[in-house]
Amino acid sequence: SYELIQPPSVSVSPGQTARITCSGDALPKHYAYWYQQKPGQAPVLVIYKDSERPSGIPERFSGSSSGTTVTLTISGVQAEDEADYYCKSADSSGTYVVFGGGTKLTVL
Amino acid sequence: EVQLVQSGAEVKKPGESLRISCEGSGYSFTSYWISWVRQMPGKGLEWMGRIDPSDSYTNYSPSFQGHVTISADKSISTAYLQWDSLKTSDTAMYYCARHDSNYGWFDPWGQGTLVTVSS
Repeated sequence: SYELIQPPSVSVSPGQTARITCSGDALPKHYAYWYQQKPGQAPVLVIYKDSERPSGIPERFSGSSSGTTVTLTISGVQAEDEADYYCKSADSSGTYVVFGGGTKLTVL
Repeated sequence: EVQLVQSGAEVKKPGESLRISCEGSGYSFTSYWISWVRQMPGKGLEWMGRIDPSDSYTNYSPSFQGHVTISADKSISTAYLQWDSLKTSDTAMYYCARHDSNYGWFDPWGQGTLVTVSS
């Protein structure tokens, strides 16, 4: 079955830039989406269609795509950004939604 | 305000049946799909399937096909996730999410329903 691969963890100091990658063979064909999940809370959409930011999401969150890898970038990381981040896309046929395994962002 | 409100936590025994619900408000319920997502304790998000409330067309992840049933009652803007025979491995948090068929996003999400299956 199709997989999206994310690093299990990323650590950065406050004010630095965090980059979280997501790799999958079908990413050149289908958009990627990013969700933030804080402990005990439901996920929240932070990036859609690879690089678009929903209203209400801080400008420090951005997304990019290159080939089979998409990247969520958080510039000027704040303590409140500590959370799990999940990428989401579709399999090659576009029939099924697939989530990456998630990346735990730790703000040191 | 667009929101999805899910039914409360459930504690069940193996072999029992269960249906949990997800009520949408603040938008046209039939204009968006509803997806269901499982999160097992300490684990990641898994897409289970989705329904188009306008015609009840469903699409299941191969991992969940045949194990759960997704349905909807558009007259009361509510989607459901149902099990006929629960297993201890069904213990998890279950989220519904409004699924935009054009933009592809899941937004917003329900608050989650914790299902605990234990003998």
